Amino acid sequence: GENVEQHPSTLSVQEGDSAVIKCTYSDSASNYFPWYKQELGKRPQLIIDIRSNVGEKKDQRIAVTLNKTAKHFSLHITETQPEDSAVYFCAASDSWGKLQFGAGTQVVVTP
Amino acid sequence: DAGVIQSPRHEVTEMGQEVTLRCKPISGHNSLFWYRQTMMRGLELLIYFNNNVPIDDSGMPEDRFSAKMPNASFSTLKIQPSEPRDSAVYFCASTGVEGGQYFGPGTRLTVT
Repeated sequence: GENVEQHPSTLSVQEGDSAVIKCTYSDSASNYFPWYKQELGKRPQLIIDIRSNVGEKKDQRIAVTLNKTAKHFSLHITETQPEDSAVYFCAASDSWGKLQFGAGTQVVVTP
Repeated sequence: DAGVIQSPRHEVTEMGQEVTLRCKPISGHNSLFWYRQTMMRGLELLIYFNNNVPIDDSGMPEDRFSAKMPNASFSTLKIQPSEPRDSAVYFCASTGVEGGQYFGPGTRLTVT
């Protein structure tokens, strides 16, 4: 089955700096890669996603890149703000929509 | 749209009691997923349905856990009998044809 690895497990950045989270996946059949943000005590919230026929997608301060050959994808957050502090999960999906999640990255943005 | 709806939001019960968690997916979504989240094990997929049919229940930890989806707008996850190690946050999520999976607010279960 699919295996998703996520790094780093924790990331501390200064407000205004950029944050990058990287994930690798094992199943070449995976074709959909969402990213979730989870604040303490809240539900995982879908923030951006990318499909396998696209190499990059951007939405305001967040962007995702996908390298299908290398089977890795990344989340980039620019101009970080304190409200970006949360746990971020990457995931890879099969054709049924079943998601395999990474272990999560705790992002702390310090003012 | 109200999003995915779960009830109850909090449940405290004694060991051995039956627990039933409920979920209403987003209208029009054809896939429904039940997850469990703990600090130790992270986010685990328990079971998922497509068009009300269970597709994969390999994540269900034991026979004490069962799930049903009698129609497109309702699903239940039942634990009988409950044990302290079942304490976790249980999320329901649904997916439409566009592929985005959206989570409900979760049910925080505490078994004493």
